[in-house]
Amino acid sequence: QSALTQPPSASGSPGQSVTISCTGTSSDIGGYSHVSWYQHHPDKAPKLMIYEVSKRPSGVPDRFSGSKSGNTASLTVSGLQAEDEADYYCSSYAGSIYVVFGGGTKLTVL
Amino acid sequence: QLQLQESGPGLVKPSETLSLTCTVSGDSISSTSYYWGWIRQPPGKGLEWIGNIYYSGSTYYNPSLKSRVTISVDTSKNQFSLKLNSVTAADTAVYYCARFLQLGPKYFDYWGQGTLVTVSS
Repeated sequence: QSALTQPPSASGSPGQSVTISCTGTSSDIGGYSHVSWYQHHPDKAPKLMIYEVSKRPSGVPDRFSGSKSGNTASLTVSGLQAEDEADYYCSSYAGSIYVVFGGGTKLTVL
Repeated sequence: QLQLQESGPGLVKPSETLSLTCTVSGDSISSTSYYWGWIRQPPGKGLEWIGNIYYSGSTYYNPSLKSRVTISVDTSKNQFSLKLNSVTAADTAVYYCARFLQLGPKYFDYWGQGTLVTVSS
């Protein structure tokens, strides 16, 4: 069970859009629609931003969107705001209640 | 509002056993829709899933840690616990407990604040 692959960093200016990729295999991302994304600010609890590939929990701005193609999932943040600066982690169900996370992407708002 | 709070020693000696407890408030740990999980983050690294437990005691562990991990549940106290034996410096991490939705959609929806555990003599 290997970690999902994310770029270590991403950046954008306020108002711009940024997309973070998350690559897995047919045993996790490619095999299920159970991809989720978490926002993590330092010293805080991770926060669920996207679940089931593209669904947003109540309270998450619609600037956050998710998608999946084959073994790769993506998180897009539109209309970047300063408070979006954080680490973002993807996660996928991998069968039999096994869960795998990505290595994380540090999003910087320039 | 659901809350999860990790507790336990912040310092563990090499070769000893790391023990943490997660206290759940605002929901019953016996809810049939959820599992309860442990996740950790070593300094400067990403998140690593450790394992999940159901209120009945059914457990699922990360294969890379399975030989050293035990997760248990105490429904009377609304708590679940993590034990990781034979620890080394590589087990130094912030440890999080979280609730995992298992029926239908699958994701961690609520997390604790995390607790730093350092393995050092």
